[in-house]
Amino acid sequence: DIQMTQSPSSLSASVGDRVTITCRASQSISSYLNWYQQKPGKAPKLLIYAASSLQSGVPSRFSGSGSGTDFTLTISSLQPEDFATYYCQQSYSTLLTFGQGTRLEIK
Amino acid sequence: EVQLVESGGGLVQPGGSLRLSCAASGFTVSSNYMSWVRQAPGKGLEWVSVIYSGGSTYYADSVKGRFTISRDNSKNTLYLQMNSLRAEDTAVYYCARSHRAGLSLIYFDYWGQGTLVTVSS
Repeated sequence: DIQMTQSPSSLSASVGDRVTITCRASQSISSYLNWYQQKPGKAPKLLIYAASSLQSGVPSRFSGSGSGTDFTLTISSLQPEDFATYYCQQSYSTLLTFGQGTRLEIK
Repeated sequence: EVQLVESGGGLVQPGGSLRLSCAASGFTVSSNYMSWVRQAPGKGLEWVSVIYSGGSTYYADSVKGRFTISRDNSKNTLYLQMNSLRAEDTAVYYCARSHRAGLSLIYFDYWGQGTLVTVSS
């Protein structure tokens, strides 16, 4: 199985900050990498697909980059509604896998 | 409007069985890839299984041989048959439409609200 490792596991930031979350794959996955946001008690929401494509309706302050094994999710200016847990997910393998998640908290 | 509604969760004893259902509306289940994803209490997301539009199925190693994904085209419903349940299967189970784009890109664009499965004696 392809292992996905996110860093950091948790992060404290303030409204207006620029935040970057990293996801590393245990082998090259080309650009088959997606990002999700999950708030407590809710289903995850798709933010970014194919490493850098913004899902319809998602604010442009979210962006993704990377290919191969290293990927990043960037929030350019944190808003109060962005405090949540973020997950990456690969689909290079038929056995899909998620990263362990990054919890973004208010400082 | 796309909607996914899971049902069938509940309390079951270790070694028992349970069948989850996911009723879809706004799109055709059989024309899409569909997945189950679970989340243990306080833990991260874990992909469980996928069924392709052509009928091929794949499972996470943790459930292979115990869980079976299937669909009923006439009811536009996805299922997950769970046998030989263990305490570590306790989780909220989500069904998700798994959009396929290109050769290998699969992402979950619509999710249900989840159904809780608790395995305990």
